Amino acid sequence: ELKVEQNPLFLSMQEGKNYTIYCNYSTTSDRLYWYRQDPGKSLESLFVLLSNGAVKQEGRLMASLDTKARLSTLHITAAVHDLSATYFCAAKPDGGSQGNLIFGKGTKLSVKP
Amino acid sequence: DSGVTQTPKHLITATGQRVTLRCSPRSGDLSVYWYQQSLDQGLQFLIQYYNGEERAKGNILERFSAQQFPDLHSELNLSSLELGDSALYFCASSTWTGGVPAFFGQGTRLTVV
Repeated sequence: ELKVEQNPLFLSMQEGKNYTIYCNYSTTSDRLYWYRQDPGKSLESLFVLLSNGAVKQEGRLMASLDTKARLSTLHITAAVHDLSATYFCAAKPDGGSQGNLIFGKGTKLSVKP
Repeated sequence: DSGVTQTPKHLITATGQRVTLRCSPRSGDLSVYWYQQSLDQGLQFLIQYYNGEERAKGNILERFSAQQFPDLHSELNLSSLELGDSALYFCASSTWTGGVPAFFGQGTRLTVV
């Protein structure tokens, strides 16, 4: 059974600093997703990572995937307050439906001035 | 605005009751996914429909059922409600059965008292 573990679960950062959120998954998965959720809001898709070594960047966020290590990372560069949110990674079990995602518990990021 | 519409936004009901949550997917999207977000269980995939047919089931309780209608809107029916069913219920849509659930509705917050 696929399990997804994120760490840290809480992250308080200062503006301008860099940090990485880690997402480990327990069995093979053929794709990895990152989502953002603002308080009381819906999920916003950030990245879909499809293959080993995949790297995607959008603004100050960069996601990567290492399928051999069963690890994805979300790197935050020079954090700004607007990045404060909860970030979820989710993995799709091999052969499963696209929507049958197993989510991590989320990392609540707070960026302080 | 993701283009996915969910109604109602909030629902308060008593234990033992039955409720129906509604989701209208983005125009042109044939696939609808339902997710539950609770403090205890986190984000969980419930069920997927594609063009009116069930395509995948996740951790959906037997007391819960869903359907997708010819106009592609979907309803999630929750019956014999328990306190533990209190959660945020999201639907997401995608163009095809293999599509990424990238567009989520704003959710229905269900409170069972």
